[in-house]
Amino acid sequence: EDKVVQSPLSLVVHEGDTVTLNCSYEVTNFRSLLWYKQEKKAPTFLFMLTSSGIEKKSGRLSSILDKKELFSILNITATQTGDSAIYLCAVEIKAAGNKLTFGGGTRVLVKP
Amino acid sequence: DARVTQTPRHKVTEMGQEVTMRCQPILGHNTVFWYRQTMMQGLELLAYFRNRAPLDDSGMPKDRFSAEMPDATLATLKIQPSEPRDSAVYFCASGLGTGVGYGYTFGSGTRLTVV
Repeated sequence: EDKVVQSPLSLVVHEGDTVTLNCSYEVTNFRSLLWYKQEKKAPTFLFMLTSSGIEKKSGRLSSILDKKELFSILNITATQTGDSAIYLCAVEIKAAGNKLTFGGGTRVLVKP
Repeated sequence: DARVTQTPRHKVTEMGQEVTMRCQPILGHNTVFWYRQTMMQGLELLAYFRNRAPLDDSGMPKDRFSAEMPDATLATLKIQPSEPRDSAVYFCASGLGTGVGYGYTFGSGTRLTVV
């Protein structure tokens, strides 16, 4: 059975701290790994990673994939209260139309 | 700004009633997912379609849930009869399913409450 596991479950930090979120997976026919941010409503897309070792960056957020060890990390530097959200990791499986399976998410709270 | 449209935004219904949720995917997207989100279970995949064909609905309770795509601009998720344990937020997401860099886009969800 395909599995996507995120850690930690939740964390609380203060503004300015750096946060590292983990996503590990065990799937057959891996295609890509995606990160989403969910605030009050729908998840919004952050990154899609397909190749090992290539960092994707957007402002203070960055992410990298290790296809040998089967995990990805999402880093947020100089955190702000607006970064408070649930961060979701999903793996796209290259079978029958690219099934997308999500992990349980990491809830991040950034305090002022 | 292209988006996935879901209706209704909120639905409160009595146990035993039929519920139909609708999703309009982004024009040109050929892959549509239905997810259910609860605090306990997170995002669970219910069903998904590629080019309107159902590919996998193993995540759905088959006796009461059904998902269809009558045409490329409409996906529906139906629950009949509804039960209190179906209370959740139901999301639809669409994408190209080709590994293009922008992933899949979610609709705003339908918050269902079954009393």
